[in-house]
Amino acid sequence: GEDVEQSLFLSVREGDSSVINCTYTDSSSTYLYWYKQEPGAGLQLLTYIFSNMDMKQDQRLTVLLNKKDKHLSLRIADTQTGDSAIYFCAESRYGNKLVFGAGTILRVKS
Amino acid sequence: GAVVSQHPSRVICKSGTSVKIECRSLDFQATTMFWYRQFPKQSLMLMATSNEGSKATYEQGVEKDKFLINHASLTLSTLTVTSAHPEDSSFYICSARDQGQLRSGANVLTFGAGSRLTVL
Repeated sequence: GEDVEQSLFLSVREGDSSVINCTYTDSSSTYLYWYKQEPGAGLQLLTYIFSNMDMKQDQRLTVLLNKKDKHLSLRIADTQTGDSAIYFCAESRYGNKLVFGAGTILRVKS
Repeated sequence: GAVVSQHPSRVICKSGTSVKIECRSLDFQATTMFWYRQFPKQSLMLMATSNEGSKATYEQGVEKDKFLINHASLTLSTLTVTSAHPEDSSFYICSARDQGQLRSGANVLTFGAGSRLTVL
């Protein structure tokens, strides 16, 4: 995950918006992903974006992609306590391999 | 939606023994499955790509003789940790790609719930 970087921790209040940022290095990545991991569980795909898109919205989730800066963000609107988890961004590399960032721990305070 | 079942979810074994972890795609066929290892508070490290009917492709630095991977059918891949040692204790996660997703171009992987291995 050293080529995909994320901030390690984010704390927000319930009802606020959360923004989790990610930078990646492979400009040839065709898809970028956001996964959610709850304690002791596997990864759940939240959303993904094709590299020729700037934005994708899916209910409370908004993904922004700045391909020039290789910057990806995930915005969660109206953050709830159930959103507390670790969020991983990932890029798709040659051979359909996914390379993950180290994960951002999101803590939602009620 | 696509479901991947991983078993066992937790296993404790003695040093020197071998442990097998199963990864099954329940409602789709997967010619390719991936095995990851996750250390506490760290990211997922890809260990190997499991290919149905052929040898697995291991990432650099992963010992293929220690981490045996078998992908005998389109719905089952197994990871065997041989002669386990305490440093092998970790969270192992498998994932599979739904062949139906390939048509859309997105490399959508479905992950198992993970297997926590503790070697005493």
